[in-house]
Amino acid sequence: KQEVTQIPAALSVPEGENLVLNCSFTDSAIYNLQWFRQDPGKGLTSLLLIQSSQREQTSGRLNASLDKSSGRSTLYIAASQPGDSATYLCAVHDRGSTLGRLYFGRGTQLTVWP
Amino acid sequence: KAGVTQTPRYLIKTRGQQVTLSCSPISGHRSVSWYQQTPGQGLQFLFEYFSETQRNKGNFPGRFSGRQFSNSRSEMNVSTLELGDSALYLCASSLARDMENSPLHFGNGTRLTVT
Repeated sequence: KQEVTQIPAALSVPEGENLVLNCSFTDSAIYNLQWFRQDPGKGLTSLLLIQSSQREQTSGRLNASLDKSSGRSTLYIAASQPGDSATYLCAVHDRGSTLGRLYFGRGTQLTVWP
Repeated sequence: KAGVTQTPRYLIKTRGQQVTLSCSPISGHRSVSWYQQTPGQGLQFLFEYFSETQRNKGNFPGRFSGRQFSNSRSEMNVSTLELGDSALYLCASSLARDMENSPLHFGNGTRLTVT
């Protein structure tokens, strides 16, 4: 059974810092990995999707990498801002599962203070 | 293009009652999934529908059920509510173009409180 772990569980940094959030998964047989952002009391906003054949994806100040063989992904946030404060979740689409069934980590709660 | 719409946003129910939650996917999306999110368990998969057929089901009791209509809108029902059913229920839709590159898009959820 696929298991997804995110480290650290919480992170508090001053504005302007570059950050790395980590995600690991136990089964490398995946279709893709998605990073989401969740604001308090809200739903999930999709940030980046990395297909299994890709090594990284970039969107603005966000860069996500994928090392499928080692079961790891990182989300890099450049020049962090207070508006980046949220919980960041990674989710894996396992090859043994259907399209809508993702395996989620517990998330990293990020606080960026001015 | 409108996103995934979930109604209602908030619900308060009493133990033993039943509840129905609604989800309208992004236009053109035929795959709809439901998740339960709690502080203790995180995000847990409930079920997935495609073209009115349930394709996958998570490890939840039979009190949890769902369905999908011909216009891809979906509902989930929880009967005989328990205190532990208090959670944020999230619906997600996907274009289902291909397995490698079909991201899930989530709604804002329905916050259910059982008293």
